[in-house]
Amino acid sequence: GAVVSQHPSRVICKSGTSVKIECRSLDFQATTMFWYRQFPKQSLMLMATSNEGSKATYEQGVEKDKFLINHASLTLSTLTVTSAHPEDSSFYICSASGSSGRAETDTQYFGPGTRLTVL
Amino acid sequence: GENVEQHPSTLSVQEGDSAVIKCTYSDSASNYFPWYKQELGKRPQLIIDIRSNVGEKKDQRIAVTLNKTAKHFSLHITETQPEDSAVYFCAAITTYRLSSPRRVENTPLVFGKGTRLSVIA
Repeated sequence: GAVVSQHPSRVICKSGTSVKIECRSLDFQATTMFWYRQFPKQSLMLMATSNEGSKATYEQGVEKDKFLINHASLTLSTLTVTSAHPEDSSFYICSASGSSGRAETDTQYFGPGTRLTVL
Repeated sequence: GENVEQHPSTLSVQEGDSAVIKCTYSDSASNYFPWYKQELGKRPQLIIDIRSNVGEKKDQRIAVTLNKTAKHFSLHITETQPEDSAVYFCAAITTYRLSSPRRVENTPLVFGKGTRLSVIA
């Protein structure tokens, strides 16, 4: 199946700093990418939807100025957590969907996730 | 918007027994229902899915059933093994097929809250 990578896999940062997470579709063109956040023992909560070349659509309660999403190409989306605080510590996972290459339509392919710890 | 309810939240079964997890959804426009298995600290892995034009689908020890009228779908795992222990998530999504060939747009997955399955050897 199609492959999505995510980098870094783990990051520890100080409170107040910014962290950038990259999500890449390796063998297909991702027309849409989704960013999720998962707290321990909880389900995946959608943060935002990004379509290539357009602004991201954020879910209610997600601050767009704090979680900056850029989907500049069909294979890359980035999530930047600005001025991170300890409560932002979580597991961030992206997923991508597309209809080219090895991607099956209707299917969303998940990245391996990034564990963010803010001290 | 879509709302997905999942039950039970935890499930313990003896090795070899069957496990059933049930989900309901609210949006009748939803037409694709994947199930994911997630092990601790790892990404969700798609294990089976079903589309709204099908009532049942089976893949070895795993099966999924869908009742569109009642808006519920279920995951069935038979002959459970210890390696089946994980958190399972159901999800619902609406896919739109546009007029352009092979052009599909997906709404975001809406996940259930998950079921922690423990298979006791």
